[in-house]
Amino acid sequence: GAGVSQSPSNKVTEKGKDVELRCDPISGHTALYWYRQSLGQGLEFLIYFQGNSAPDKSGLPSDRFSAERTGGSVSTLTIQRTQQEDSAVYLCASSLVLVAGVEQFFGPGTRLTVL
Amino acid sequence: AQSVTQLGSHVSVSEGALVLLRCNYSSSVPPYLFWYVQYPNQGLQLLLKYTSAATLVKGINGFEAEFKKSETSFHLTKPSAHMSDAAEYFCAVSDTGYSTLTFGKGTMLLVSP
Repeated sequence: GAGVSQSPSNKVTEKGKDVELRCDPISGHTALYWYRQSLGQGLEFLIYFQGNSAPDKSGLPSDRFSAERTGGSVSTLTIQRTQQEDSAVYLCASSLVLVAGVEQFFGPGTRLTVL
Repeated sequence: AQSVTQLGSHVSVSEGALVLLRCNYSSSVPPYLFWYVQYPNQGLQLLLKYTSAATLVKGINGFEAEFKKSETSFHLTKPSAHMSDAAEYFCAVSDTGYSTLTFGKGTMLLVSP
């Protein structure tokens, strides 16, 4: 079956511009996660959704970052006024349920480059 | 707070040699532990996971890992490396009650002919 998909695969933007990153989880997966992978910080957790709800936004690096999920499916991560330190690969994952120990399935990521 | 330490950012082996990638965790409660592999320009793929059912866990592609509570370790091994095993490997931990993952810094496995 189809896995997690993300778009775009690559995004180059200028400092100060806003960007939107999209994630399509596996159909039927209720939990969705965003992670960021960068050279300096490794893989870091950003935010998770249970259905359309994101109970804990403390992992987002700054108030320029926001995320939403609609219809229990597609999620969008928005970065406003991008900075060079936002350059990274943004990974989305989904799991059948929001339970510790359950496998998370990862998408291929969106590589964001801020010039 | 939970954390994961992977010793060695790069590990080089010859084809056919034993692969050993080290992972130590810190967790205040019995954890769930995972090994993921990432091939170039791809997402992460689950190799195996420990969820307290058995201390020796077998995964895909001939990999296995042993949970040792006394050593707080979850090292990944494979008896004989293949060229196709060259990739970056991540160890991750998830505390009971939380499904988000805390990752180690990753270990790049290089396999030479």
